Amino acid sequence: QLQLQESGPGLVRPSETLSLTCTVSGGSISSSDYYWGWIRQPPGKGLEWIGSIYSGGSTHYNPSLKSRLTMSVDTSKNQFSLKLNSVTAADTAVFYCARAAGGSPSYFDYWGQGTQVTVSS
Amino acid sequence: DIQMTQSPSTLSASVGDRVTITCRASPSMSRWLAWYQQKPGKAPKLLIYKASSLESGVPSRFSGSGSETDFTLTISSLQPDDFATYYCQQYNSYPITFGGGTKVEIK
Repeated sequence: QLQLQESGPGLVRPSETLSLTCTVSGGSISSSDYYWGWIRQPPGKGLEWIGSIYSGGSTHYNPSLKSRLTMSVDTSKNQFSLKLNSVTAADTAVFYCARAAGGSPSYFDYWGQGTQVTVSS
Repeated sequence: DIQMTQSPSTLSASVGDRVTITCRASPSMSRWLAWYQQKPGKAPKLLIYKASSLESGVPSRFSGSGSETDFTLTISSLQPDDFATYYCQQYNSYPITFGGGTKVEIK
């Protein structure tokens, strides 16, 4: 059974860089034709797609975040990562990593449990 | 960008009720639409993809329909486990976008 697990600091200072990693287990991140994505959910609000990355490194970013966002993949560790710089309180959210089921773009069939990130001094 | 508008934002219903949630796309798209269920403190769970295909393991009381601009998620007989928030998501084109959510509450 495929499992995804987010990890990273729960507290980030304003203007600094938010860094998260998603570790995939129960399957290889590069064995099949999937994209891997990040989605966030501010407190009490809906879901926002952040971006998606292919195991080969190809990326698609939300235009609203593109100038601050970098995604990468490490196939040797079966992980993919997110870096969002110059964060503000508006970036406070639960961040989820997920597998995009097939094709590009796609829906998300496996999700991590989510990790809370708070931006505060 | 394709904007997804869900309605209603909140729905009060009783166990056994037939429930319908609507998602409207602007501009129009094909059938690349998914539905998710989310419970408090949990990750979203995929219910439906390609507008009407039921994800494996999802009860058959859930169904989806629609194309172009108007899509619906129907729960044929609401069960206690179904009280949750539901989201639609388009994957017709980037950027991927979600609807604002529909919270199904106990009446």
